[in-house]
Amino acid sequence: AQSVAQPEDQVNVAEGNPLTVKCTYSVSGNPYLFWYVQYPNRGLQFLLKYITGDNLVKGSYGFEAEFNKSQTSFHLKKPSALVSDSALYFCAVRDTSQGGKLIFGQGTELSVKP
Amino acid sequence: DGGITQSPKYLFRKEGQNVTLSCEQNLNHDAMYWYRQDPGQGLRLIYYSQIVNDFQKGDIAEGYSVSREKKESFPLTVTSAQKNPTAFYLCASSMGRAGANVLTFGAGSRLTVL
Repeated sequence: AQSVAQPEDQVNVAEGNPLTVKCTYSVSGNPYLFWYVQYPNRGLQFLLKYITGDNLVKGSYGFEAEFNKSQTSFHLKKPSALVSDSALYFCAVRDTSQGGKLIFGQGTELSVKP
Repeated sequence: DGGITQSPKYLFRKEGQNVTLSCEQNLNHDAMYWYRQDPGQGLRLIYYSQIVNDFQKGDIAEGYSVSREKKESFPLTVTSAQKNPTAFYLCASSMGRAGANVLTFGAGSRLTVL
């Protein structure tokens, strides 16, 4: 079965430190990978995506993600965390077996403390 | 500004009642989606529609119904058959299929069954 996993329910980081939110996937064929962010009681906002090309993808708000085919990972990173980055982050992958719909991970709560 | 409008933002329902959640978009997107969000479970797809007058069941369609009579509108009815309807419901749209195209989300509707 095709799936995506976010192994950490919560990540805690001090402001100014680098952050990483982990994501691993399992799909057949070439993966289409996405990161979305959700602030409390709001919908999700798109951060970045990987379809093909450079393994390092740059997105909104200074975030980037590294696609690693051998490790089937797509970790979200930011060099210097801000308190305002505190939110719920979702990784998603295209389900190639069911009309191209997205499969979402369970989400990772990022908390950035001053 | 283009976007997705969901209403109501908060809704309370007595057991045994049907309720309808509204979703309207002015993005001229072809595809629309309904997701359910529960704590720690990520987003699960309820129904999706890629064209007017056509829609498909997602992973958790039981107890829900939809219609797509207009391109702009994709209302979701939560019926009395849905055993545990208390959740946060998110509507989304995309230009084409979600697998290759970015989803735009509404702000969500929180349904509580009393």
